[in-house]
Amino acid sequence: DAGVIQSPRHEVTEMGQEVTLRCKPISGHNSLFWYRQTMMRGLELLIYFNNNVPIDDSGMPEDRFSAKMPNASFSTLKIQPSEPRDSAVYFCASSLAGRQVFGSGTRLTVV
Amino acid sequence: GQQVMQIPQYQHVQEGEDFTTYCNSSTTLSNIQWYKQRPGGHPVFLIQLVKSGEVKKQKRLTFQFGEAKKNSSLHITATQTTDVGTYFCAGPWGSGTASKLTFGTGTRLQVTL
Repeated sequence: DAGVIQSPRHEVTEMGQEVTLRCKPISGHNSLFWYRQTMMRGLELLIYFNNNVPIDDSGMPEDRFSAKMPNASFSTLKIQPSEPRDSAVYFCASSLAGRQVFGSGTRLTVV
Repeated sequence: GQQVMQIPQYQHVQEGEDFTTYCNSSTTLSNIQWYKQRPGGHPVFLIQLVKSGEVKKQKRLTFQFGEAKKNSSLHITATQTTDVGTYFCAGPWGSGTASKLTFGTGTRLQVTL
């Protein structure tokens, strides 16, 4: 089992550009989560999906953020336009029965 | 909304000393999970506690769930440098959907020789 796969591992982009983060969950897991981690705010849940359906997006900071899960094996988190305050590590995690398995994360730097 | 706090935020110990982190919730939890995140790494699941007063051990790590199911602790006996990292508790909150977790603030452990 390859685990949860995220890409890219690192992303540096200029303010105003669109950023797309990708995640492939563990096969058979029915829930997928997107988190953001910063020193100031810790680990924050942005959105999660159950059986590919968005259940709770109350953590999405604003309309610049959007997430999709077109099928059980792929999800994206998009930021458009990006801002320097979006700089953080973004984690994707998947789960089947409560226990969550995290990907290695994408470190995003917006300059 | 629900809050979960961990104390201390940071602890620095010498190798061989014991370490304890505490997790406190403002509401009763159906279960609680613990995760460890190494520096530069991602959170990794350690354990889940479900029953009131439950105690589980993993080698030098002892996890406890409070009788009222509102608090939990993680105790490490005789710390080693491999224990360095941030320890998070996490529990289901909010909508009642079991699959959603809210993570605590974390306790960062530093171990020196």
